[in-house]
Amino acid sequence: QVQLVQSGAEVKKPGSSVRVSCKASGGSFSDDGVSWLRRAPGQGLEWMGTLIPILGSPHYAQNFQDRVTITADESTSTITMELNSLKSEDTAVYYCAKDLPRDGYKLYGMDVWGQGTSITVSS
Amino acid sequence: SVLTQSPSVSATPGQRVTISCSGSSSNIGNNFVSWYQHLPESSPKLLIYNNRRRPSGIPDRFSGSKSGTSATLDITGLQTGDEADYFCGTWDSSLHGVVFGGGTKLTVL
Repeated sequence: QVQLVQSGAEVKKPGSSVRVSCKASGGSFSDDGVSWLRRAPGQGLEWMGTLIPILGSPHYAQNFQDRVTITADESTSTITMELNSLKSEDTAVYYCAKDLPRDGYKLYGMDVWGQGTSITVSS
Repeated sequence: SVLTQSPSVSATPGQRVTISCSGSSSNIGNNFVSWYQHLPESSPKLLIYNNRRRPSGIPDRFSGSKSGTSATLDITGLQTGDEADYFCGTWDSSLHGVVFGGGTKLTVL
């Protein structure tokens, strides 16, 4: 079973960018998608976007499409999420997660999750 | 949130609890639903996918169902370790993205 290990916690200034990495081990993720999600304090889960590494083309949530970039490096089995123009409201725990098999372009959920990365945005 | 869940529910050990998730024809009504358990200081865990299927290792105390534009997660034989936030999720065909409910906090008294 694939395991996902994320990079460590970061503190960022408003207006800056953050990159969070997610390395897969114990299996291939090239054919499956990997999504990025977040959970802010006191809030629910929020899906940010997904990438199928073997296809290389990402699909972003409408709320994030102007600020997020998801890329994959198949040689290192690593997927990276970059979020720009950070605001205090972006303070959250960010998760990568392996997508469930798709129904065409539809994505119904995620079955393996990374341990989470805490991102704090504060001046 | 696009999907609607009650904010909280409580029950005693051994009891059964039902958590509901309401949506519309653009999401639950025409797509599969998944359910997640999010324990404090942990990552979310997939409990149910494709409305009613359990991943390997998830006990049959957890079951899911869907009717029309609503979905339900049932938990029987409640244990104190079930205290967590529970989220429903699905694809939204209008938004072209994955959407979640706001979460239901389960307290086991």
